[in-house]
Amino acid sequence: NAGVTQTPKFRILKIGQSMTLQCAQDMNHNYMYWYRQDPGMGLKLIYYSVGAGITDKGEVPNGYNVSRSTTEDFPLRLELAAPSQTSVYFCASSSRAYNEQFFGPGTRLTVL
Amino acid sequence: EDQVTQSPEALRLQEGESSSLNCSYTVSGLRGLFWYRQDPGKGPEFLFTLYSAGEEKEKERLKATLTKKESFLHITAPKPEDSATYLCAVQAGNTDKLIFGTGTRLQVFP
Repeated sequence: NAGVTQTPKFRILKIGQSMTLQCAQDMNHNYMYWYRQDPGMGLKLIYYSVGAGITDKGEVPNGYNVSRSTTEDFPLRLELAAPSQTSVYFCASSSRAYNEQFFGPGTRLTVL
Repeated sequence: EDQVTQSPEALRLQEGESSSLNCSYTVSGLRGLFWYRQDPGKGPEFLFTLYSAGEEKEKERLKATLTKKESFLHITAPKPEDSATYLCAVQAGNTDKLIFGTGTRLQVFP
């Protein structure tokens, strides 16, 4: 099993550009999450999903969008990138709500 | 307000020197407390879940304990490979929200 995979690993965006961060898991988990991690701050939940076709906002959803058309994939869309979105983004999945989450390796995003 | 505080921010230990990391929390109705390990440049890796005061979990040199106000991660005779950032997270009962602490960066020197 590959677990949770994320692409790309690194990306530099210009202000106003858009991009999609890809996340996939092969563990057949219903629950998937997107977090951002900033220096000196705890992980913050952006969006989560409890199954295909069902998504909901987390703590910091502004400037982001998600979709969940399959159990395996949970892409995160950034529209009109801003410097405040410079961060490391982690995708995670779990078989139960919030418990024993498996994290991907992260995407380091810089917006200039 | 729901809050999770980890201390110390950083800890340097000699190999074999046992110590403890602290995670104190204030939430409305604890549903679970989670410990994760994070290596530089990688995603967090799940270690333990604790549900109720008095509960303990062990894994190799690590032992996690829980009281009504805090959790400790005890590291016995640490090795350099235990060097990492240890994250604590709490699931609040009334909102289903998961709150992460800022972590303790542990360095173990040979």
